[in-house]
Amino acid sequence: LAKTTQPISMDSYEGQEVNITCSHNNIATNDYITWYQQFPSQGPRFIIQGYKTKVTNEVASLFIPADRKSSTLSLPRVSLSDTAVYYCLVGDPYNFNKFYFGSGTKLNVKP
Amino acid sequence: ETGVTQTPRHLVMGMTNKKSLKCEQHLGHNAMYWYKQSAKKPLELMFVYSLEERVENNSVPSRFSPECPNSSHLFLHLHTLQPEDSALYLCASSQAHERETQYFGPGTRLLVL
Repeated sequence: LAKTTQPISMDSYEGQEVNITCSHNNIATNDYITWYQQFPSQGPRFIIQGYKTKVTNEVASLFIPADRKSSTLSLPRVSLSDTAVYYCLVGDPYNFNKFYFGSGTKLNVKP
Repeated sequence: ETGVTQTPRHLVMGMTNKKSLKCEQHLGHNAMYWYKQSAKKPLELMFVYSLEERVENNSVPSRFSPECPNSSHLFLHLHTLQPEDSALYLCASSQAHERETQYFGPGTRLLVL
């Protein structure tokens, strides 16, 4: 099982950069790493995806070391509206036994 | 609005009832998914349909029965559920060749009494 491990929760203040790290020691060669954001009473929302090195989009950056056993989601200058649960996801959804969403990291942004 | 709608948004049912959850996607995707999200548990992938064919998963109890009549619609038929089946049921869709990038609906909050 391509299990992922993330911190249960993190606190930050508005305007700070937040880095959330996910461990995925058993990641397979073909697996991508995908991050989702979920607000209460809503479905998860895709943030960013990568395979190796660094990926950046208008919302976040994703850093993946060469061994791909971990990844770090970086949120620049967070605001109160970034308070949510962030999930790291690896695996192929067509392979149920190796598709794991994880418990997520609850990010609490304070004013 | 993610382009994925789910109805109903809330459902209360008894253990002997039969009900169905509906999902519709307006994104032109060709893969659809059902997830279960229980309190304090990770999201659990229940069913996958790719190009209208079901990807086999034998770990879900038979009291949950999916149906995918076309690439835009997905149903989850429920019968003789248990109280522990109470959860948020989420539908998602994607392109079959980009299945890690999924678009989720708002979910159906189900309570089984």
